[in-house]
Amino acid sequence: DAKTTQPTSMDCAEGRAANLPCNHSTISGNEYVYWYRQIHSQGPQYIIHGLKNNETNEMASLIITEDRKSSTLILPHATLRDTAVYYCIVRGDNNAGNMLTFGGGTRLMVKP
Amino acid sequence: KAGVTQTPRYLIKTRGQQVTLSCSPISGHRSVSWYQQTPGQGLQFLFEYFSETQRNKGNFPGRFSGRQFSNSRSEMNVSTLELGDSALYLCASSSVTGPVGAFFGQGTRLTVV
Repeated sequence: DAKTTQPTSMDCAEGRAANLPCNHSTISGNEYVYWYRQIHSQGPQYIIHGLKNNETNEMASLIITEDRKSSTLILPHATLRDTAVYYCIVRGDNNAGNMLTFGGGTRLMVKP
Repeated sequence: KAGVTQTPRYLIKTRGQQVTLSCSPISGHRSVSWYQQTPGQGLQFLFEYFSETQRNKGNFPGRFSGRQFSNSRSEMNVSTLELGDSALYLCASSSVTGPVGAFFGQGTRLTVV
C-alpha cells in the first residue's frame, strides 16, 4: 500500500472549517484514500473514503486532486468534539484483505 | 445495528501469563482484524481473519495468535506475556463486499505487571 504524509499537528477555531491535507504521491490506480480519526482512548472511527471523485457524507468532505497524489479532508464546521488524531490511509480494494497501515496522523486541536 | 464489541475492556496480567481477548463484529461482517496500539509504536496491524482463516498477518512474534469462529466472532491470544505487551488492543470488523471502511471497537486495555 502507498505511503502517506500528513502534518503532525494543526489547530482550528471552533466553527471554522478544518482542512487536513495528506500526500500520497505513490498511490496506484486501484488504491483508495481512507480517513479515520481517533478521539483520545477510543477506537478509530471511519470517516470517509474515495477513489478519484470528491466525496461527501454527514461527517466530512474528501477532495482528491486530479492526479490523485494528494487529498484534503474537510470538516466544514469544526466543533470541540472534533479534536482528535486524523489518519489518512491508502490501500487497495478489500479483495486482498482489510489490513490498514496507520502512520502518525495529524493531531487536530479545535480551540474555542 | 450494534457496533463492534470487545471484552474485557480492561485487564491486568502478570509477566509470563497468557491472555485471551474477544471481539464480536458487526452483524454480517465476516472480516475481523486486530491491532495493537502503544505510545511508542502507534497503531500496528496484528492479523486479519476472514471465514475462519487468517488472511493477513503483521510483523509480530508467534506469541500472538488468533482465531475466528463460524459466527465471525474472533479471539486473540497472547502467551508468555511481557511488559512490552501492555497496550490497547483494537478489533475492527469489515464487510467484504466492495471497498468499505473498517469499524473499530473500543479496545481492550491490557496492562502487564
